[in-house]
Formats: sequence, C-alpha cells, structure tokens
Amino acid sequence: DTEVTQTPKHLVMGMTNKKSLKCEQHMGHRAMYWYKQKAKKPPELMFVYSYEKLSINESVPSRFSPECPNSSLLNLHLHALQPEDSALYLCASSQDDQSVGTDTQYFGPGTRLTVL
Amino acid sequence: KQEVTQIPAALSVPEGENLVLNCSFTDSAIYNLQWFRQDPGKGLTSLLLIQSSQREQTSGRLNASLDKSSGRSTLYIAASQPGDSATYLCAGPRNKLVFGAGTILRVKS
Repeated sequence: DTEVTQTPKHLVMGMTNKKSLKCEQHMGHRAMYWYKQKAKKPPELMFVYSYEKLSINESVPSRFSPECPNSSLLNLHLHALQPEDSALYLCASSQDDQSVGTDTQYFGPGTRLTVL
Repeated sequence: KQEVTQIPAALSVPEGENLVLNCSFTDSAIYNLQWFRQDPGKGLTSLLLIQSSQREQTSGRLNASLDKSSGRSTLYIAASQPGDSATYLCAGPRNKLVFGAGTILRVKS
C-alpha cells in the first residue's frame, strides 16, 4: 500500500480562524513533507520532518505551524492566514530523507484551502 | 539555486503517437530524479524514480532516462492514449524536491 491520506479535502476559512490539516501514512516511512501548490504552478517545499523532527523549514511564515505527533501522522496548523495563502496543500512521505535522496516520494491528494 | 526547466510547456497529439518530454536541471549534481503525473485539482502520482547510479527506468509504456553529465532527463511515452492526458512534472535533485513547471499533455482520441 503506497497511500498517503489527507483531510479535509477542502477547507474554507476566514483570516481570523484557526484550522489544521492532517496527513497520514502507514508505509513505515520516516520522512514526511508539506508542499504548497498555487494554481497553475508547481509544488513548492514548505517543511520536512525526518524521524519526527523538523529538519527543513523553507522560511515559511509562522502562521503555518507544522507538527509531527508520531511517525505516521503530520499536521499543519493554520492561524491568521491571508487570502494569498489559498492553495493546494500537499503532503508526501518517503522511506528516509537521510539516504541522500534516493527514495520515492509518495503524495497525498491534497487539501484545497481557500482563505476569505 | 537549483532550477528545473521542462520542455515543451504544452503538447497536444493524436492518440497512438510516441512522445518525448524533456527536463533539465541547472545543477547537474543529481542524486535522484522523479517524474510525476498530476490530473487537474488532484495530488501527484509518482511515475518513475531514477537514482544517480541509473541511466534509465521503465514502467509499462513509460521510459525515463537520465544524463547526469548534462543534468537532463527525458520521459518517453509510447503509444499515447487519451487517459495519458495530464500534467507531467519532473523533480529532483534529491529528497528536497525542486519541481519543473510541468508539461501539459493532451492526447486526442
């Protein structure tokens, strides 16, 4: 099974709301990733977790707060977002990001976020 | 900063044609390269992964090659079908993926 699940599929929130995106994988992968994809653009890396520790933060604004409660679960907490944060948020996982980049990344279907 | 270029940006072909999609990296120190498919509004489906020690990978009608010396990869699609219509993205050069802008493929029946 190479499935990465993401919930919710769609989310509409106001600029003062707090919401969370959830990502789950049961492949035993130890690296998990958040990407942001704006319309008609390629995905851009936001965060990388390796063995449940944040290893890469691509200078993402603090209104995005990642969390990795366990090796199967990755959350992205959202607070005080701006309309320009509206995008498709994709989660991915791979076996191990320490292996100098030799692992396939498996992506979830994404959460379509709209900020009003 | 690593940049990834994909050519062509869009391609429209009749069913049955063999296709070549191109991808190039500004930094040829490539540890892996992945090709993905994305249908409109959907997530990414991994098609092929080429590791730095490999020159090509095949899966069904798809064949991807990697020329590390030039930092270029090619995705070959044989006998294209309408179901192949999607955006094809290449990404690398290691697990911190940088994506190309994609090739939008339309296969007409």
